[in-house]
Amino acid sequence: EVQLVESGGGLVQPGRSLKLSCVASGFTFSNYGMNWIRQAPGKGLEWVAYISSGSSYIYYAETVKGRFTISRDNAKNTLYLQMTSLRSEDTALYYCARGLTTVATYFDYWGQGVMVTVSS
Amino acid sequence: DIQMTQSPSLLSASVGDRVTLSCKASQSIYSSLAWYQQKLGEAPKLLIYSANSLQTGIPSRFSGSGYGTDFTLTISSLQPEDVATYFCHQYYSWNTFGAGTKLELK
Repeated sequence: EVQLVESGGGLVQPGRSLKLSCVASGFTFSNYGMNWIRQAPGKGLEWVAYISSGSSYIYYAETVKGRFTISRDNAKNTLYLQMTSLRSEDTALYYCARGLTTVATYFDYWGQGVMVTVSS
Repeated sequence: DIQMTQSPSLLSASVGDRVTLSCKASQSIYSSLAWYQQKLGEAPKLLIYSANSLQTGIPSRFSGSGYGTDFTLTISSLQPEDVATYFCHQYYSWNTFGAGTKLELK
């Protein structure tokens, strides 16, 4: 069974940093591109970042480019999102989601999400 | 950026009804469209990909159609467990989602 379990969320002040993790199981993690997608309270979904299976290709939404860094450790079956210079508009439920070999693909499995609240 | 517009934003229907949800892209996305179901407090679940391909394990009452800019998700006979918000997602050029259609029971 494919499982994606996020962690690392919490309450953080504006301008500070936070690192999210997503542990994958039930599939060969190193074969798949992975994504972070977020959902602000009561709002729709926003794609945040993509990393290819071997970390060769990385893409970000314009709203987080230069502030967020996606990375992965295939030996640990873990996806990361390092978030810096956090803003109130980054408050959201952050999901990790499995993609395919390119950024242009659908997301077939999602984690349950981890909440990030940016507030003073 | 490609904009995705879903309608209606809220839909009330009865058990057994045939339900149709619409999603329009601001430019052609060919067949690069997915549909997700999100129940309250849960993660989104993939229903349809490539506009009309049913994801494994999804009931056959769900179907997708369309090409280019106009797409439809159809539930042939609404069940109580189908109460959820439904999102469309284009992946032709980066990734953008529609704002969702909330489906409730009448």
